[in-house]
Amino acid sequence: EADIYQTPRYLVIGTGKKITLECSQTMGHDKMYWYQQDPGMELHLIHYSYGVNSTEKGDLSSESTVSRIRTEHFPLTLESARPSHTSQYLCASSALSDSYGYTFGSGTRLTVV
Amino acid sequence: AQTVTQSQPEMSVQEAETVTLSCTYDTSESNYYLFWYKQPPSRQMILVIRQEAYKQQNATENRFSVNFQKAAKSFSLKISDSQLGDTAMYFCAFIRYNFNKFYFGSGTKLNVKP
Repeated sequence: EADIYQTPRYLVIGTGKKITLECSQTMGHDKMYWYQQDPGMELHLIHYSYGVNSTEKGDLSSESTVSRIRTEHFPLTLESARPSHTSQYLCASSALSDSYGYTFGSGTRLTVV
Repeated sequence: AQTVTQSQPEMSVQEAETVTLSCTYDTSESNYYLFWYKQPPSRQMILVIRQEAYKQQNATENRFSVNFQKAAKSFSLKISDSQLGDTAMYFCAFIRYNFNKFYFGSGTKLNVKP
């Protein structure tokens, strides 16, 4: 079944560690996005990509980085995690025309201690 | 600039009753799309309903329907016969035709009580 997958689902990690949040989709979507969401709060776009080798920063400044080497894969990396990075990270994808909306992953809830 | 406003941070409704969630948006465009997304606690966000601005007819998906008032820039979601599984955060979203950016509202937390 075509879908979008995020791993890990939950992650607790110490300050200063490097982490990579994985996001993969099987729908062949060109566009992919990363949103940051605090519990019960609004979504903030932090990164997006319109295709392979294309990445852009979103509206909310983030210390994370992303890469898009393959269409289906859009990982997010934090080189040195800090407690301020504690949040939920949502990955989404859409076809070339966004008019049918996004498909979201289940999210990664990150806690940095 | 486009904005999406959800003025109800939290709402409650009794099971089997009807509830309406409000959403207003601001745009100078005439062609756009509107969406309602549902985010259950600790679960995946899913698309509930979609409306094309050039269609006057209100979209309906089973128990979910919208009241789309283009002139008033209003896009409310009505949930009929509320069920416990409807408990979730609901986000209103907007995208301009042929433009690569979604605008999300701040969300409404809906609690369906037994």
